[in-house]
Amino acid sequence: DVKVTQSSRYLVKRTGEKVFLECVQDMDHENMFWYRQDPGLGLRLIYFSYDVKMKEKGDIPEGYSVSREKKERFSLILESASTNQTSMYLCASVAGPPTYEQYFGPGTRLTVT
Amino acid sequence: ELKVEQNPLFLSMQEGKNYTIYCNYSTTSDRLYWYRQDPGKSLESLFVLLSNGAVKQEGRLMASLDTKARLSTLHITAAVHDLSATYFCAGGGGTSYGKLTFGQGTILTVHP
Repeated sequence: DVKVTQSSRYLVKRTGEKVFLECVQDMDHENMFWYRQDPGLGLRLIYFSYDVKMKEKGDIPEGYSVSREKKERFSLILESASTNQTSMYLCASVAGPPTYEQYFGPGTRLTVT
Repeated sequence: ELKVEQNPLFLSMQEGKNYTIYCNYSTTSDRLYWYRQDPGKSLESLFVLLSNGAVKQEGRLMASLDTKARLSTLHITAAVHDLSATYFCAGGGGTSYGKLTFGQGTILTVHP
């Protein structure tokens, strides 16, 4: 069975803190994605990775960075958290061809105060 | 650039009724996906449609794909309260590492 886990379900951080969100998959997938989801704005792609140490910016990368040192783990880093980064963060792991189906983790609801 | 539009965005149904959610997309898309999201939860994959004319069914939900019309539909048969959720369609294609473009989502509420 497909499994994608995220390090925290709920997280509260202060403005200016460095925040790490971790995502782990056990399916040996090469591609992994980070999204944020906000009411009225839908899902927006922050970054994705297509191999270890390989990454590409998504639609809204500003204020974020990522790390993929091992195939199974993809981390999202908020260098200096701000209140406008309060959101639901969703990680997805992507199957290969032909489906490229995305399997989502349970999500992390981050509040920055 | 692929754009995906769903309608309706809000759907209030009575139990036992049938209805259809429509998903239009702007350019060629090799693959079309349907996801379900319960409040406060993550996205759950429902269907993956890979070719023109593809039809998939699971319980009271049936999804279809017409690539010529650039249209996918999610048909709900004899709705029950448990189907209340937000439904997203998403399109993907080409050598894009599996990148998806999501629709806005349809909030479905099923009333007794």
